[in-house]
Amino acid sequence: DAGITQSPRYKITETGRQVTLMCHQTWSHSYMFWYRQDLGHGLRLIYYSAAADITDKGEVPDGYVVSRSKTENFPLTLESATRSQTSVYFCASSESSRGMSPLNYGYTFGSGTRLTVV
Amino acid sequence: AQSVTQPDIHITVSEGASLELRCNYSYGATPYLFWYVQSPGQGLQLLLKYFSGDTLVQGIKGFEAEFKRSQSSFNLRKPSVHWSDAAEYFCAVGANTGFQKLVFGTGTRLLVSP
Repeated sequence: DAGITQSPRYKITETGRQVTLMCHQTWSHSYMFWYRQDLGHGLRLIYYSAAADITDKGEVPDGYVVSRSKTENFPLTLESATRSQTSVYFCASSESSRGMSPLNYGYTFGSGTRLTVV
Repeated sequence: AQSVTQPDIHITVSEGASLELRCNYSYGATPYLFWYVQSPGQGLQLLLKYFSGDTLVQGIKGFEAEFKRSQSSFNLRKPSVHWSDAAEYFCAVGANTGFQKLVFGTGTRLLVSP
């Protein structure tokens, strides 16, 4: 199916465990993003990637790791989950072209992963 | 760094009435501005965006927004609200220099009464 898909939709894990959230897009968009959504905070950027093998930190990167070996995939790993990482996680992607910001196109979001750390 | 404020956490509007959701941003130059809508359990859908040109922007689902530089605002409007418009609405701002990330407001939840 075309679009941007996140898996799993729901995940419950224990404190201290490693968890990986998956994000896959079929458009070959160069930019991909991970946001977390928490009540009272809106969406906050965790990490982003401008292309395969190019990633950088966002606003709240601590405790998270990302990789992007292929353009279409951008997994987010919680190395040792904590209760404060209980949240809804959204992946997004955006196209870009020479001389044009990805913001010219806007971001397209996945349906989210609801993660609960107990 | 850019920032955005949505002063209303909740708004209740009667079906058929007009709607205005407020958004104020902080940024030194003309920013990229967006409105997204999130239905329960869903991702965010882009309603409209502005980065240059006509300051009144038309979007999907009958929404429009007006960029007012003097007021640093980008308020979202709809002349007649439908029950299906009940959702959470997010305003977002992006800088036009450096890494152009999107910064989101905290959202406004719209309730539609019969």
